[in-house]
Amino acid sequence: DPKIIQKPKYLVAVTGSEKILICEQYLGHNAMYWYRQSAKKPLEFMFSYSYQKLMDNQTASSRFQPQSSKKNHLDLQITALKPDDSATYFCASSQDSLGGENTLYFGAGTRLSVL
Amino acid sequence: GDSVTQTEGPVTVSESESLIINCTYSATSIAYPNLFWYVRYPGEGLQLLLKVITAGQKGSSRGFEATYNKETTSFHLQKASVQESDSAVYYCALGDLPSNTNKVVFGTGTRLQVLP
Repeated sequence: DPKIIQKPKYLVAVTGSEKILICEQYLGHNAMYWYRQSAKKPLEFMFSYSYQKLMDNQTASSRFQPQSSKKNHLDLQITALKPDDSATYFCASSQDSLGGENTLYFGAGTRLSVL
Repeated sequence: GDSVTQTEGPVTVSESESLIINCTYSATSIAYPNLFWYVRYPGEGLQLLLKVITAGQKGSSRGFEATYNKETTSFHLQKASVQESDSAVYYCALGDLPSNTNKVVFGTGTRLQVLP
């Protein structure tokens, strides 16, 4: 059974709309992350959270807002969607946020298409 | 900045053939890079395949191996004899040890297709 659940698997949106990507992890981890991969580009770090607090934000746009209602949840709200936002969004977690050797565990991703 | 460059896919090989997926890195802001290979099987999330945190050391898992070469800034993934079940996307990645954010820098991924 998958330990990190992302919903939905596929999402189609119109330009200018708003969507929320859901992520829940059942690994008992303290740190959660969002990554994004657009076509032919590297898997790109977006945010990291530790104990529900923002640790690092590498996303230039304020249109992307993580939301953590519980320690094992880290949703991603995207407002004013643009076609360039089309990508697969991956949620990940690790036991802790300290130390770059922590193994990341990933969900299967949400593929977002913005028309 | 920090970056990872890997073989552009797709890579197609026949079962029982050998495989090498190249990976080179640039760690301009990371004092002590540690290196990973992650794999993504169809319909699943990425999972760790192997990691090496010390330059000069080799990591291995499921028949795959990679050596952390600081001189050539490379971390190539090799397997002597691939199986059809190895078909997946392979990501080379770079982490910062120690780090207070656990931000990991990934490459673009290399899609491997193994023909029966």
